[in-house]
Amino acid sequence: EIQLLESGGGLVQPGGSRRLSCAASGFTFSNQGMSWVRQTPGKGLEWVAGINGNSVIRNYADSVKGRFTVSRDNSKNTLFLQMNSLRADDTAVYYCARRVTVFGVLTPFFDDWGQGTRVTVSS
Amino acid sequence: QSVLTQPPSVSGAPGQRVTISCTGSSSNIGAGYDVHWYQQLPDKAPKLLLYGNNNRPSGVPDRFSGSKSGTSASLDISGLQVEDEADYYCQSYDNSLSGFSVFGTGTKVTVL
Repeated sequence: EIQLLESGGGLVQPGGSRRLSCAASGFTFSNQGMSWVRQTPGKGLEWVAGINGNSVIRNYADSVKGRFTVSRDNSKNTLFLQMNSLRADDTAVYYCARRVTVFGVLTPFFDDWGQGTRVTVSS
Repeated sequence: QSVLTQPPSVSGAPGQRVTISCTGSSSNIGAGYDVHWYQQLPDKAPKLLLYGNNNRPSGVPDRFSGSKSGTSASLDISGLQVEDEADYYCQSYDNSLSGFSVFGTGTKVTVL
């Protein structure tokens, strides 16, 4: 059974930093692209960042570029999101999700999600 | 602000059919990128519902189906059931965005 377990959320002051973790199990982690997706209170989903299996390719949404860094430790089956210069509009539930590509399907999708970790940016 | 637009809400009685649209543009759905759909039950994480426009993962009932045409896609729920009351999101790729992946604005399905 595939499991993704996020941790690291909490209350952070504006301008502060936070590091989120996502512990993965049930699949060969190093072979899989991963992403972070967030959901603001009462709002929809926003893709935040993605990383491929060997960390060569990393992508970010414009809203977090230059402030957030996605990384992974394949020896520990763990995905990270380092968030710096946090703002009030970064307040959200952050999900890690397994990014999947399937032959014949032109667009990657997210087939497994963690339960989410809540980050609140407030003074 | 998402580049994929969905109606905020749709509703139907049990047993009825509802359709959720996902409207994009020439840089995403219109460019030929596939569309995927997710279901989010209250206070739960999103769950993959359909991938590649109309493919169901194991365990998803066949009352859920999807289609894509031009710059839009749609999700059909036939034989609506009480447990289908949830938020639904489309997702695709957009070649004008730095990260490419984009979600729709989301639709709340209410079972009357």
